[in-house]
Amino acid sequence: GAGVSQTPSNKVTEKGKYVELRCDPISGHTALYWYRQSLGQGPEFLIYFQGTGAADDSGLPNDRFFAVRPEGSVSTLKIQRTERGDSAVYLCASSSGQGRWDTQYFGPGTRLTVL
Amino acid sequence: GQQVMQIPQYQHVQEGEDFTTYCNSSTTLSNIQWYKQRPGGHPVFLIQLVKSGEVKKQKRLTFQFGEAKKNSSLHITATQTTDVGTYFCAGPRAGNMLTFGGGTRLMVKP
Repeated sequence: GAGVSQTPSNKVTEKGKYVELRCDPISGHTALYWYRQSLGQGPEFLIYFQGTGAADDSGLPNDRFFAVRPEGSVSTLKIQRTERGDSAVYLCASSSGQGRWDTQYFGPGTRLTVL
Repeated sequence: GQQVMQIPQYQHVQEGEDFTTYCNSSTTLSNIQWYKQRPGGHPVFLIQLVKSGEVKKQKRLTFQFGEAKKNSSLHITATQTTDVGTYFCAGPRAGNMLTFGGGTRLMVKP
């Protein structure tokens, strides 16, 4: 079946602009996660959804970052007033949400470049 | 907060040599997970270890979870060029959110 998909694959924007990054999880997966990966580092947790609600958003770096999942499937990560330091690969992962430590499946990521 | 550290950061080996990466957590972990990320790719789940002292094998890969559940290792026997990539360990925070180590980048010379 289809895996996690993310669009766009690449996004180049100018400092101060607003961007939206989309994640389409594996069908039927209730848990969805956003991570950010800077060059040469491991993924860093941003936010976790269980169904439609954000169960944990403690990883969001500041209030310029916001994410939604209105129907419990597709999620959008929104970044306002982008800064050069926001440049990174934004990874989305989903899991079944059925087990306590169920496997997370990652999408290909969106590479965000802020000029 | 929870920190997960990995060493070495980089490892160059000749094809056929063995490779080991080590993972240490600042806190006791409920489980440890290992992921592989190929160059230009995304993390792909390899395995999860739950029990203290657990050892699991996948062909040439051997994964170990420490007795205190604070450290883990991944050993690859007789590396191949297909093993190239970055290997990450990750431990869960509250819920199922993962704290990743910095990764060990493996390069294999044919």
